[in-house]
Amino acid sequence: ETGVTQTPRHLVMGMTNKKSLKCEQHLGHNAMYWYKQSAKKPLELMFVYSLEERVENNSVPSRFSPECPNSSHLFLHLHTLQPEDSALYLCASSQGQDQETQYFGPGTRLLVL
Amino acid sequence: QKEVEQDPGPLSVPEGAIVSLNCTYSNSAFQYFMWYRQYSRKGPELLMYTYSSGNKEDGRFTAQVDKSSKYISLFIRDSQPSDSATYLCAMTPPGGFKTIFGAGTRLFVKA
Repeated sequence: ETGVTQTPRHLVMGMTNKKSLKCEQHLGHNAMYWYKQSAKKPLELMFVYSLEERVENNSVPSRFSPECPNSSHLFLHLHTLQPEDSALYLCASSQGQDQETQYFGPGTRLLVL
Repeated sequence: QKEVEQDPGPLSVPEGAIVSLNCTYSNSAFQYFMWYRQYSRKGPELLMYTYSSGNKEDGRFTAQVDKSSKYISLFIRDSQPSDSATYLCAMTPPGGFKTIFGAGTRLFVKA
């Protein structure tokens, strides 16, 4: 595997379900990001981890819970989501704050029923 | 006012045309300016990266930043059908991880 991988690629869940999104980077980076991309809206930064510490939390509802067990892995735990949370969830990684090295994964397409 | 404004298009051009994509922004603290290309069902990929004002050229792509006007542009010369994608502008202030993205412009290049 190379670059940034995300699983699952597609997810359908009910509002009472609990699920997790997984991201893995194979680039040796030390910062990882979660973004939300909704139709016709800009990418919204949700969380940033640098050296496994959360450095940005962009006023995200508590039904989204990130976890970064090491510099290569990032999770987004989901529970009691709302239909408006349906979107493409993108993971990215970079070497520190160097935006030139920010690489994105293919995303998880989430549908909340 | 949004921090970054970008016309969503769609923009449709014939093959071989010169394409001009633009964004305006309101935060004068932005120092790093990026253009990403996103194909359908894929994540964004970094296309061009510029620090502060000026021009940067890479093959058929030229990025321009005019900080006095708070305006950035991406030019694509000799456009190809494979350039059909959504183009996202993005910018970052110094010393932070928080990148602000435009909504993206959908480009179609017709053969």
